[in-house]
Amino acid sequence: AQSVTQPDIHITVSEGASLELRCNYSYGATPYLFWYVQSPGQGLQLLLKYFSGDTLVQGIKGFEAEFKRSQSSFNLRKPSVHWSDAAEYFCAVGADFGNEKLTFGTGTRLTIIP
Amino acid sequence: DGGITQSPKYLFRKEGQNVTLSCEQNLNHDAMYWYRQDPGQGLRLIYYSQIVNDFQKGDIAEGYSVSREKKESFPLTVTSAQKNPTAFYLCASSQGRMYTEAFFGQGTRLTVV
Repeated sequence: AQSVTQPDIHITVSEGASLELRCNYSYGATPYLFWYVQSPGQGLQLLLKYFSGDTLVQGIKGFEAEFKRSQSSFNLRKPSVHWSDAAEYFCAVGADFGNEKLTFGTGTRLTIIP
Repeated sequence: DGGITQSPKYLFRKEGQNVTLSCEQNLNHDAMYWYRQDPGQGLRLIYYSQIVNDFQKGDIAEGYSVSREKKESFPLTVTSAQKNPTAFYLCASSQGRMYTEAFFGQGTRLTVV
């Protein structure tokens, strides 16, 4: 069965600084990978997804993520964060056989300081 | 606008009572899901349905029930058998298989009083 690890529970970044949120997955074949963002008390919004092809994917709000098979990682990056980026971020992995579902990580809460 | 509507946003229940959470989508998606979210635990799958009149248990189905009589609706009932029902509940839908992109509603926060 697939699994997702987000090692950072909480990250604090200064506004205008760069950001990297870590995500490691466990799955035997090429996974389907996603990053979602959640504002307090709200649902989840898809930031970006990777199914195949170019390992660097661009998403909404200036975010990007890179799939690295050798490291089983799918880290989310943004070159310059804005105060509005403060939220909780979830990495998710999907599989197309075996345990066919989306599995979510436990999330990383991002705080932005002036 | 197309989307997923969950209602109510906040719900209070007395211990021992059943309560039903509503989820409606107008995206014409075949598949719908219910997740439970607790602090520090991410999202856990309760039930899912890939077609009308059919649904499957997820990882934490005990104490919950669902129905899928219409394509656009997937209500979740939290029964008195659910020992710790206070949580944030999220409904989602997708066009294809469950492992593809899911679209989420705004959630319902259930509190047992």
